[in-house]
Amino acid sequence: GAGVSQSPSNKVTEKGKDVELRCDPISGHTALYWYRQRLGQGLEFLIYFQGNSAPDKSGLPSDRFSAERTGESVSTLTIQRTQQEDSAVYLCASSLLWNTGELFFGEGSRLTVL
Amino acid sequence: KQEVTQIPAALSVPEGENLVLNCSFTDSAIYNLQWFRQDPGKGLTSLLLIQSSQREQTSGRLNASLDKSSGRSTLYIAASQPGDSATYLCAVKSAGGTSYGKLTFGQGTILTVHP
Repeated sequence: GAGVSQSPSNKVTEKGKDVELRCDPISGHTALYWYRQRLGQGLEFLIYFQGNSAPDKSGLPSDRFSAERTGESVSTLTIQRTQQEDSAVYLCASSLLWNTGELFFGEGSRLTVL
Repeated sequence: KQEVTQIPAALSVPEGENLVLNCSFTDSAIYNLQWFRQDPGKGLTSLLLIQSSQREQTSGRLNASLDKSSGRSTLYIAASQPGDSATYLCAVKSAGGTSYGKLTFGQGTILTVHP
């Protein structure tokens, strides 16, 4: 596609349920990033991929969070046993080159945990 | 650990004014610096990308400079318009240590341009 695509755009779930958020990067982009943005706050780094390997997982908040990427394509962020503090917008970005490339962001997935 | 600071946190100006947003970072081992804008409830839109070997980039009314050795960047907006109202974010991509390739964001500057 022309841009980074994220789905779902909105997700409301009950505390304790698992959720999956999907990111389709721009075709051919080798690097893919996940960020979290809580209401009124800045961007919090979660994880990034070079190809399908993740050199830096340091931002994942807890072991309830995991992410995977298939080749240099789609990535899935999974949150298990969701908590109310997981409510946020989850933003995905991709770039052609992992080091010098320009990042392009999707519109985000808004997660609300009741 | 890379830290990025943006000053001011908020700025309100009348239409037509020229303005400068500031960004500073603590670790000069970077690949590049990127400026974004974010409109309420939206994702981030890339404005300008400056590679570590470059000093400035221009796009329309926007000009961004980079002084890597001092850890500073500025975004200059000429002849501001109400449509420029948004949150402006700068981000640096680390080239050193265990954070190579990681993009670190500042907290942003909320810009309001009133008619």
